Amino acid sequence: EIVMTQSPASLSVSPGERVTLSCWASLSFDRNLAWYQQKPGQAPRLLIYGASARATGVPARFSGSGSGTKFTLTISSVQSEDSAIYYCQQYNNWPPITFGQGTRLQIK
Amino acid sequence: QLRLVESGGGVVQPGRSLRLSCAASGFNFRGSAMHWVRQAPGKGLEWLGVITYDGNNQYYADAVKGRFTISRDDSKNMVFLQMKSLRTEETAVYYCARGNVRDEMAFEFGGQGTIVTVSS
Repeated sequence: EIVMTQSPASLSVSPGERVTLSCWASLSFDRNLAWYQQKPGQAPRLLIYGASARATGVPARFSGSGSGTKFTLTISSVQSEDSAIYYCQQYNNWPPITFGQGTRLQIK
Repeated sequence: QLRLVESGGGVVQPGRSLRLSCAASGFNFRGSAMHWVRQAPGKGLEWLGVITYDGNNQYYADAVKGRFTISRDDSKNMVFLQMKSLRTEETAVYYCARGNVRDEMAFEFGGQGTIVTVSS
């Protein structure tokens, strides 16, 4: 089973800042990684799949990159509505499909 | 517009069974892999299993293998999660999700989930 570890656990930033969230895999793989955004009381929303492809309707300020054991989600200019928990997910070696523990992003 | 409506949750005693349903609309259900994912209170996401687009294969997480069964009824655009021998630690919100059309192991959620509480 591939264990996914996200960092930081939480962060607080001001609107307009550039934010980078990290996701580390216990085993190396190419691009079978997704990112999700979850706001309180809501289902998760797919942001990125294939490590770097934006899902339909996702704003261009969200971008994904990485391969091997390190993947990143970048928000180029964070907005107040981006306050949420962000999860990474690997689907390279499955079952099982596994998630990171999440990064909580707060906007000041 | 993708829409998934989960139902069937409730309070159930440990060791008992429960069947969850997920009604799908707004997309080509017959061509889609369907997943179940759960989230315990205040915790992260846990993948439970998937049924392939044709219903011929199902794959499960070890934690539920042998106790949970995923099935689908394409005539009704529905997918089901039959859960047996439930444990208190399986109290969670249960979501169904569609496999993304370009990458079916990435999930598209379209509902609010259904809450399962396992308690005596």
